[in-house]
Amino acid sequence: DTVLTQSPALAVSPGERVTISCRASESVSTGMHWYQQKPGQQPKLLIYGASNLESGVPARFSGSGSGTDFTLTIDPVEADDTATYFCQQSWNDPFTFGSGTKLEIK
Amino acid sequence: EVQLVESGGGLVKPGSSLKLSCVASGFTFSSYGMHWIRQAPKKGLEWIALIYYDSSNKYYADSVKGRFTISRDNSKNTLYLEMNSLRSEDTAMYYCAKLGSSGYWGQGVMVTVSS
Repeated sequence: DTVLTQSPALAVSPGERVTISCRASESVSTGMHWYQQKPGQQPKLLIYGASNLESGVPARFSGSGSGTDFTLTIDPVEADDTATYFCQQSWNDPFTFGSGTKLEIK
Repeated sequence: EVQLVESGGGLVKPGSSLKLSCVASGFTFSSYGMHWIRQAPKKGLEWIALIYYDSSNKYYADSVKGRFTISRDNSKNTLYLEMNSLRSEDTAMYYCAKLGSSGYWGQGVMVTVSS
């Protein structure tokens, strides 16, 4: 299975730029997607196909990467962005998720 | 507005069976593959099953293969997950989801397997 590795946690101040990384154990081409999950809620799609902004998602969110290294960028960060961010690959069977990066806004 | 509403969860004993349902609205359900994904308490997300739009293909995670069956009824806009031989490690919130662009997840339904 394709293992997706994310750093466990980050803390930033409002207005700053934050990058959340996701590294795949093998190439997933651009089949990488990013989700935001707030406590008690279902995940919400932010980015699909590595760099495509989902409709309705603020342009503060962006994604980049291909192959094995991917990044979700939030610029500028707002207090409401406190959440856990998951990457997910759909290129290799089975689909797999990263373990999530918990973002704290100081 | 896209809506996915899961139901059928609950507390069951190990070895029991349970069938989850997910009713879809706000999009052409019959045109999209659908997934089940679960999240154990305080844990990450685990994809468990996919069914093509026309039920022609079904895929499962190894952890549930042979015990869980995904199905759908396009006339009822409903996705199902039949779960047999449940184990304590199946305890999780179960989400149905339309992945990819215009992706959407239901609010989830809790399944607890405990004696």
